[in-house]
Amino acid sequence: GAGVSQSPSNKVTEKGKDVELRCDPISGHTALYWYRQSLGQGLEFLIYFQGNSAPDKSGLPSDRFSAERTGGSVSTLTIQRTQQEDSAVYLCASSSGQGVAFFGQGTRLTVV
Amino acid sequence: AQTVTQSQPEMSVQEAETVTLSCTYDTSESDYYLFWYKQPPSRQMILVIRQEAYKQQNATENRFSVNFQKAAKSFSLKISDSQLGDAAMYFCAYRRSYGNKLVFGAGTILRVKS
Repeated sequence: GAGVSQSPSNKVTEKGKDVELRCDPISGHTALYWYRQSLGQGLEFLIYFQGNSAPDKSGLPSDRFSAERTGGSVSTLTIQRTQQEDSAVYLCASSSGQGVAFFGQGTRLTVV
Repeated sequence: AQTVTQSQPEMSVQEAETVTLSCTYDTSESDYYLFWYKQPPSRQMILVIRQEAYKQQNATENRFSVNFQKAAKSFSLKISDSQLGDAAMYFCAYRRSYGNKLVFGAGTILRVKS
């Protein structure tokens, strides 16, 4: 596609359920990032994929969070046993290595 | 670890006036990139301007320009002839040259008054 696509746009889930958030990067982009943004706050780094290298998972807040990137393209961020503090906008971005990062519109996750 | 600091949580500017948003960063690297992103209420992050650290010339994009002071590790954004559509949250970001994560500042909310 022309830009970074994230789905769903909005997700409401019950506390304790698992959720999967999807990111479809710009075709050919080797780098993919996930960030979390709480209401009115800055961007918190979660995880970074670069080509075939081992991902930088240093930002994942707990072992309930995991992400994978299949075939160097689509990425899925999984949150297990969701908690209310997981409520936030989850932003995905992709770039061509050292290029500019382009962002998707994000997934707003609400845990009730 | 690299850090990015935006010391102004909120700024206001009159339409058609000029405003400067501040950003400082901390790094031991000599080669890196700096960015300003804009996030309007739609939450779509939009690149405003980018600066390569090895370039001494300050980047300019239409009404947007930066004042890059490498020794002082300062990277401010100047918006000239402010427009209502400039109202948004602005984020300063840093990235090491060789493929690495973007590190963001906390953001500055810019309000434009008509």
